[in-house]
Amino acid sequence: SAVISQKPSRDICQRGTSLTIQCQVDSQVTMMFWYRQQPGQSLTLIATANQGSEATYESGFVIDKFPISRPNLTFSTLTVSNMSPEDSSIYLCSARDSLMNTEAFFGQGTRLTVV
Amino acid sequence: SQQGEEDPQALSIQEGENATMNCSYKTSINNLQWYRQNSGRGLVHLILIRSNEREKHSGRLRVTLDTSKKSSSLLITASRAADTASYFCATATYGNNRLAFGKGNQVVVIP
Repeated sequence: SAVISQKPSRDICQRGTSLTIQCQVDSQVTMMFWYRQQPGQSLTLIATANQGSEATYESGFVIDKFPISRPNLTFSTLTVSNMSPEDSSIYLCSARDSLMNTEAFFGQGTRLTVV
Repeated sequence: SQQGEEDPQALSIQEGENATMNCSYKTSINNLQWYRQNSGRGLVHLILIRSNEREKHSGRLRVTLDTSKKSSSLLITASRAADTASYFCATATYGNNRLAFGKGNQVVVIP
């Protein structure tokens, strides 16, 4: 199993600013992912954070808006850039082994409000 | 693309009753997983069932998988107030490390 520490847990930000969310895993993991979740909705995958290379973004998400870093196998950051109220959401990081029959572990989420 | 989808439900039950929720998906899967989320926080893995399995138990949880119908169900027996949460199914497909999450079911257990 893996324990993920995600911070900040919540923040209120001014529009036009940027926020960086950090995730620290207590063990080395192959895969790390970043999700967005609107209240009462399902999880939408933003990108897969690749260790040592550029993240792989899903349709509708771009690197300029959501730059991601993953310098090693235990740490990743997601930045929400030039924020607008539409970016208000819960952001979740997740880690999973590359083996198929494995579970995913999640951070506690970052509740972002943009005013 | 592959996506697990629950029948949209908001269950409200009395403590001690059983809660059942369903999930359907569209393509072949390697496994299907169920997660619980409390109050918009992180998801917690509950149970994983492989495509060659039909039923699995874990404590008060019972999961079934019908690959011919591309559906799964999660049963929580003898519910408790602490079971109040949103429950999501997620599917894993061959050759794809990403999980596809369904819409979620909100369960409220009334003490």
